[in-house]
Amino acid sequence: DARVTQTPRHKVTEMGQEVTMRCQPILGHNTVFWYRQTMMQGLELLAYFRNRAPLDDSGMPKDRFSAEMPDATLATLKIQPSEPRDSAVYFCASGLYNSGGPYEQYFGPGTRLTVT
Amino acid sequence: SQQGEEDPQALSIQEGENATMNCSYKTSINNLQWYRQNSGRGLVHLILIRSNEREKHSGRLRVTLDTSKKSSSLLITASRAADTASYFCATDRGSTLGRLYFGRGTQLTVWP
Repeated sequence: DARVTQTPRHKVTEMGQEVTMRCQPILGHNTVFWYRQTMMQGLELLAYFRNRAPLDDSGMPKDRFSAEMPDATLATLKIQPSEPRDSAVYFCASGLYNSGGPYEQYFGPGTRLTVT
Repeated sequence: SQQGEEDPQALSIQEGENATMNCSYKTSINNLQWYRQNSGRGLVHLILIRSNEREKHSGRLRVTLDTSKKSSSLLITASRAADTASYFCATDRGSTLGRLYFGRGTQLTVWP
């Protein structure tokens, strides 16, 4: 049963610390999405990659957030320095995209981040 | 900004009753999708309906799409306590890049 995995599942950190979240997409999927979910804003797209290349990262605060795909099996989202307003659940999702579509997304369990 | 707008924001029903959730959107679409999120979990894809389809069924789920009104509905028949979750609609806004735009969701509570 193929699944998207995310680590850590929970992270509590102090303001100013660096946070790194990791995602392993489903094997064979060529597109990876990073979302943030809060009660106030709902589900927001931060960035997404296709074949490891960034397609759109306009949803990310550039000064403190960065997203990368070092290889096809790993996507990372880093926050440096973290701030209390970054407290949220961060989801990774993956999908297989080719010409035509349509496309559904498979979500990981999320990383619950608390910045104090 | 959110593309889909689900209503109601919250829905509370008894087991065995039907639950209907609605979604409206503003742009042209290629397809519309519904996802479920159980508390503390990631979203799970439920059903996809293409813009040239009007109705689709999957088990106890029935989705309709009215592109002239830019709206969709998700019907869960004979609901169960296990159906308690948030339900989101998502559209592609006509893009083929694979990005989805999610609404704020409907929180469904099914009481045993």
